[in-house]
Amino acid sequence: EVQLVQSGAEVKKPGESLKISCKGSGYAFTTYWIGWVRQMPGKGLEWMGIIYPGDSKTRYSPSFQGQVTISTDKSISTAYLQWSSLKASDTAVYYCGIGVAPSGWLDPWGQGTLVTVSS
Amino acid sequence: DIQMTQSPSSVSASVGDRVTIACRASQGISSWLAWYQQKPGKAPKLLIYAASSLQSGVPSRFSGSGSGTDFTLTISNLQPEDFATFFCQQAISFPPTFGGGTKVEIK
Repeated sequence: EVQLVQSGAEVKKPGESLKISCKGSGYAFTTYWIGWVRQMPGKGLEWMGIIYPGDSKTRYSPSFQGQVTISTDKSISTAYLQWSSLKASDTAVYYCGIGVAPSGWLDPWGQGTLVTVSS
Repeated sequence: DIQMTQSPSSVSASVGDRVTIACRASQGISSWLAWYQQKPGKAPKLLIYAASSLQSGVPSRFSGSGSGTDFTLTISNLQPEDFATFFCQQAISFPPTFGGGTKVEIK
């Protein structure tokens, strides 16, 4: 079964750093893109960026460029999304998903990671 | 970025009804459109890709149509498990963008 399993919920303070993960299984991890999508509380879906684990080629949505870093460790079939300095406005659920192209649809998705940033 | 506009934002319907959701792109996207279903507290699930192709395992009561700028998701014979929020997504240019969502509620 093709599956993405994300790391657990996080509660952080403004200014702290964070790295969440997305582990793939059941498929050739290095031959598909992994995209990240944000969903703020009660809101819609926002595409953040995408990475190709085979060569770590990464593309960011302009809205998220410089705000987050997407990376991968193909030796453990895991992609990451990280922040160096969190803000309260980063409070959201973050999803990863498998894509066949940088602009394509995602399927399947991970279960989501809730990040809460509060002082 | 390409803007995706869904309508209506919410719809009330009964089990057995036929529901139609519209999605309009701010510029032509050929058939590069996907539809997702999201239930509360769950990740989105891909229903339709390439505007009208049904993803494996998705019931045939879901169908998609359209090309260019105007697209439609139709749910025929609405079932209790179909009450959810639906999103469209353009997949032709980077960054991909989503519609604002349509919540299908129980009448």
